[in-house]
Order: sequence, then structure tokens, then C-alpha cells
Amino acid sequence: GENVEQHPSTLSVQEGDSAVIKCTYSDSASNYFPWYKQELGKGPQLIIDIRSNVGEKKDQRIAVTLNKTAKHFSLHITETQPEDSAVYFCAASWRVKLIFGTGTRLQVFP
Amino acid sequence: DSGVTQTPKHLITATGQRVTLRCSPRSGDLSVYWYQQSLDQGLQFLIQYYNGEERAKGNILERFSAQQFPDLHSELNLSSLELGDSALYFCASSVGEGPGTGELFFGEGSRLTVL
Repeated sequence: GENVEQHPSTLSVQEGDSAVIKCTYSDSASNYFPWYKQELGKGPQLIIDIRSNVGEKKDQRIAVTLNKTAKHFSLHITETQPEDSAVYFCAASWRVKLIFGTGTRLQVFP
Repeated sequence: DSGVTQTPKHLITATGQRVTLRCSPRSGDLSVYWYQQSLDQGLQFLIQYYNGEERAKGNILERFSAQQFPDLHSELNLSSLELGDSALYFCASSVGEGPGTGELFFGEGSRLTVL
């Protein structure tokens, strides 16, 4: 089955710096890669997604890149703010399932 | 507010007991997904229903079962509970049959504590 690995598990940055979270997936048939943000006490919420026919997608301060050959995809957050502090999950579709990575706890210090 | 409602929010019970978690999807969504989130763990996929029918199964234990009713709400039944079943259980819904057909909207979860 599909396996999604996510690194790092924790990430601390200074406000204004950039943050990068990386994921790898195992099944080349996966074609949909969303990123979710989970704030304390809440359910995960979609922040950006990318499909396998696209290499990069941006939405204001966040961007996602996909390397299908290497089966890697990454989340980039620029100009981080304290409200970006949360747990971020990558995911990859596999058949009709959505398989999640283990999460990255991002802390942005003022 | 995602529009997905989960009840109860918190539940404390003893080993060996049985509990039922309830999920009401967003209006118009036909798919319901159940995920388990243990401490320091990611989201483990349990099961998915689409318009009342089971569509996919993940690592769901035999002691667990689920169903989606005609009004599209879903219930996850956990029986013969063990300490290791303590976790946050999330329900998510989407319009289409698979994750690539639309965003998954998550509820706020049901926190189960087994003592």
C-alpha cells in the first residue's frame, strides 16, 4: 500500500523566516497531494493541494512543489507569522484513500 | 466551522466497553471518512463510505465497525475497548467518491479515553 513519510517532525523558525516541510510517497500511481494544517483542539484544514500534472502551485505565502520522478513533494511557507504555528500534514491519494504523513509541528517565534 | 459535526466531543469509558461515535457530514457531501489520531501519530485511515456504501478500508480493527445511514450521517462503533484505543477520532466529508474529487472537510474530533 501507499506510504507517506514526512520530515521534519518538529520545526522552529523565527518570525519572518521561511519554513520547508518535505514528504515522500511510495506509489507512483498517487496523483493528488494536499496539505492540511491542524491547530490546537481543531480538525485538520486544507491549506493547499497539487495534482500530479502540475509541478508547483502558490497561494500567497504558501507554495507546494512536486517532483514526480523522485516522488517528493514539499510545502514552503515564506514570511512566517506566529499564527502559522500549528501541525502540518502532507497526504497522498492512493486509490480512493487519502494517506497522511505523520505531521510536522511548526513553531514560529516572534 | 467546517460544517462537519461530531458527537460526543469527549468520551471516557472503561476497558471492555463499547462506544458509538457519530458524524454528520456537510450538507451535500456524500462521502464520509473516519480517521484515528493517536498521541504523536499521524492520521490513520480507518474506513470510507460513499452514499451509504463502503468504499475503502484501512487499518480498521475487527472490533471496530461503521456504517453510513440513508440520511448520510455515519457512526463508528468501537467494541471490547482496550487502553490502546484511546485516541482522537476524526470524521471528514467530501462531495465526491475519492479524495481527489474534492476537499476533505474535517470535524473537530471525538476524544476517546479508555481507562
